[in-house]
Amino acid sequence: AQKITQTQPGMFVQEKEAVTLDCTYDTSDQSYGLFWYKQPSSGEMIFLIYQGSYDEQNATEGRYSLNFQKARKSANLVISASQLGDSAMYFCAMTGDSNYQLIWGAGTKLIIKP
Amino acid sequence: SQTIHQWPATLVQPVGSPLSLECTVEGTSNPNLYWYRQAAGRGLQLLFYSVGIGQISSEVPQNLSASRPQDRQFILSSKKLLLSDSGFYLCAWSVLNGGIQETQYFGPGTRLLVL
Repeated sequence: AQKITQTQPGMFVQEKEAVTLDCTYDTSDQSYGLFWYKQPSSGEMIFLIYQGSYDEQNATEGRYSLNFQKARKSANLVISASQLGDSAMYFCAMTGDSNYQLIWGAGTKLIIKP
Repeated sequence: SQTIHQWPATLVQPVGSPLSLECTVEGTSNPNLYWYRQAAGRGLQLLFYSVGIGQISSEVPQNLSASRPQDRQFILSSKKLLLSDSGFYLCAWSVLNGGIQETQYFGPGTRLLVL
């Protein structure tokens, strides 16, 4: 069965520094997708970035990039030049056994210090 | 563009009372719809998903039920709430393309407190 592990329950980072949020996954599937979501204190789950298992290049979306290391089964989120508004919970997720299922990590709470 | 609405935003209900949470999607047709629950400080638990009108799949046995009376409307219900039903309920939608998992987009959520 698929599994997502986020080993950092919380992180404090100085404003304007780069941040790396760790995510490792376990799957026996050859084709799968990896997602990162941001959940601010308001509660809404905001999609950030997607990486397909067959994508050769790391996904990027503005200040967000996904450091995809397939052999290590790692899909870390990198946020460049962090801002106060980046303070939130961040969840890593991957496709499950069915097309309708996402497997979720426990999340990392990121706090950006001014 | 697509938007997803949920209401109410917050709800406080006594144990044993009924529940009805509504989710509607605009700007897309025949979406897949999902209900998740999130306990405080935890990840998401998939409760139900629907691939079409009247088609509901349950992931977790519980005293909750879901219905999809219209293409872009998804309702989460309970006849009698339990204390353990407290949590943050999120509705999401996605559109499959060629059978490959598409990104799920979430609504603003409903905070439910059962007392």
